[in-house]
Amino acid sequence: EVQLEESGGGLVQPGGSLRLSCVASGFTISNYWMNWVRQAPGKGLVWVSRIDNDGKSISYADYVEGRFTISRDNAKNTLFLQMNGLRADDTALYFCAKGDLVDLWGRGTLVTVSS
Amino acid sequence: EIVLTQSADFQSVTPKEKVTITCRASQSIGSSLHWYQQKPDQSPKLLIKFASQSFSGVPSRFNGSGSGTDFTLTINSLEAEDAATYYCHQTSRLPLTFGQGTRLEIK
Repeated sequence: EVQLEESGGGLVQPGGSLRLSCVASGFTISNYWMNWVRQAPGKGLVWVSRIDNDGKSISYADYVEGRFTISRDNAKNTLFLQMNGLRADDTALYFCAKGDLVDLWGRGTLVTVSS
Repeated sequence: EIVLTQSADFQSVTPKEKVTITCRASQSIGSSLHWYQQKPDQSPKLLIKFASQSFSGVPSRFNGSGSGTDFTLTINSLEAEDAATYYCHQTSRLPLTFGQGTRLEIK
């Protein structure tokens, strides 16, 4: 079965860090661009970052630039998001999503930033 | 940034009704517009890619049209299982953006 599974979310204090992971199964991520998209509780979808097949082309939304780092380990079929300097407004369900078409999403991992 | 504005935040509709949701882009995006369905407590699912191409496995009652700045998602003969929030999404330019979402309530 083709799927994505995120992990690494949790409760963190403002200013803290988390590292999210997304493991793919049923397909090889090295063939695809990969994305992170987030959704605050009760709100809409917001794109966070994307990375090309071999990690050489990376883009971020302005509000995470300089705080978040996207990376990938194609050998482990895994996507990452290192999040530093977390703020309350980063609280959201974080989805990883496959492809420049964003045609497959994981179930998400919840990040809560609160003191 | 390209802003996508959907025609309504909420629509209450009856089964078998034909539903239309529109998405307007703040500048031309060609056909790089896609539609997603998100049911409560689920991840989004791709319905329509590149404005009018049905994604694999999507029921034929879902159709998309448009180009440039104006796009439409049409659901023919609405079914109870179509209760969800629908989002448009552009991949023409960075940053990638989504519409605010349209929640469909089935009466």
